[in-house]
Amino acid sequence: RKEVEQDPGPFNVPEGATVAFNCTYSNSASQSFFWYRQDCRKEPKLLMSVYSSGNEDGRFTAQLNRASQYISLLIRDSKLSDSATYLCVVNGVVGNTPLVFGKGTRLSVIA
Amino acid sequence: DAGVTQSPTHLIKTRGQQVTLRCSPKSGHDTVSWYQQALGQGPQFIFQYYEEEERQRGNFPDRFSGHQFPNYSSELNVNALLLGDSALYLCASSVGTEAFFGQGTRLTVV
Repeated sequence: RKEVEQDPGPFNVPEGATVAFNCTYSNSASQSFFWYRQDCRKEPKLLMSVYSSGNEDGRFTAQLNRASQYISLLIRDSKLSDSATYLCVVNGVVGNTPLVFGKGTRLSVIA
Repeated sequence: DAGVTQSPTHLIKTRGQQVTLRCSPKSGHDTVSWYQQALGQGPQFIFQYYEEEERQRGNFPDRFSGHQFPNYSSELNVNALLLGDSALYLCASSVGTEAFFGQGTRLTVV
């Protein structure tokens, strides 16, 4: 089983749609969770951290379920500029341990 | 603040050659990690440097080696290049759990 698994893509959605990405992780001792965004041929950039209580940043909402080892990202009112690959990322037990990335899910928002 | 900078941005090498990639971390960051991202895949951890020593290593062969300098900058060396080493090589610097990535070096082995 891969350490971090994500929904296979691509997701092709119209502008204004709501889209949800799911991710599961295998290491129950994982402590930190993130969603990164990666544009084509660019570096990954932190989109948001994910907390057990859930967190929201504008149109983006992230949820963490530790019992199920499941992470989600919801994007509301999709924009063309949201088109990118979204990477689910898990960190280890202590700080400065390496990030473990999922394969990524490609989103294309269509006009 | 210049952020994380990597050089070169693109590189073409021949099988069997050796390559050195460079990374300057974000100001104030003392930990540098290197990742390999093959086409269509997520980044895979190669190794991490802290206080000029390799602190952790991923599942990569000994052909991959590195170094960290007193100013926290770092190098990634790959010997005896294989076609399968073609990838985007990313450097990330961090303090605590948040990592910032450089723009990467795209290595093509022919």
